[in-house]
Amino acid sequence: GEEVAQTPKHLVRGEGQKAKLYCAPIKGHSYVFWYQQVLKNEFKFLISFQNENVFDETGMPKERFSAKCLPNSPCSLEIQATKLEDSAVYFCASSQLQYNEQFFGPGTRLTVL
Amino acid sequence: AQKVTQAQTEISVVEKEDVTLDCVYETRDTTYYLFWYKQPPSGELVFLIRRNSFDEQNEISGRYSWNFQKSTSSFNFTITASQVVDSAVYFCALSGYTSGTYKYIFGTGTRLKVLA
Repeated sequence: GEEVAQTPKHLVRGEGQKAKLYCAPIKGHSYVFWYQQVLKNEFKFLISFQNENVFDETGMPKERFSAKCLPNSPCSLEIQATKLEDSAVYFCASSQLQYNEQFFGPGTRLTVL
Repeated sequence: AQKVTQAQTEISVVEKEDVTLDCVYETRDTTYYLFWYKQPPSGELVFLIRRNSFDEQNEISGRYSWNFQKSTSSFNFTITASQVVDSAVYFCALSGYTSGTYKYIFGTGTRLKVLA
C-alpha cells in the first residue's frame, strides 16, 4: 500500500498478559523500524528489519520483546508478560533504504493496567 | 557517538509570527542525513525534509525553510507567518553510518504552540 498500516489502534492489557502489534510497510520498502514513544516524548528505537532479516536489534529488551517480518505477512512486535512501563505508543516505520526518510504508521497505543 | 539536541522544549508564538526551531547534531561520520518530522496532536509522524551532508543549500517550501550549517552542526527550521495548524511537536533526526549500519537518532522534540 501507499501508507504504513498499523493494527490495532488501541490495545489494553492487564499486567502479565501478552500483547501483539502488527505493521504493514509501504510496498517496495525494504526496511521496517519499530519505535516506542512514551508520553509524546522521544522515540526509543527498538528493532529494524531488512526484508525478513533482523537488521539492528540493539534497542530491544530481549527478555520480553520479540519481533518478526515474514514474507507475505504483516510484521509483528510481541511483548510477553507486559509491564506497566510498557504503556506507550508503538510506531512502525518503513523506508526504501536504511538511511532514507522513514514513513510512519499511525501508531498503536498500548495501555497496560 | 551520535547525538541530536533540540534545546527548546516548548515554544509559544502568536499567529503570523515567525519562529525558528533549533537542531544541533553531533556525528563523526562524513556522510550523514538530517531530517525534520512533524507530530501534530493527532499523533502521526509526518516527514518534512531530508538533507544530506554534502548539500548545504538552504531549502524553502512555502512557509517552511531550513538552514543547514555544517560549521555549527546545526539544521534549523523556520516557519514564516505561523498558523494555528502549525501547532505540533517537531522532531529533528540524524542518520549516520556507525559500526556497519545507519543509526537513526531522534531529538527529544520541540513542542510548538501557535496561538490565535
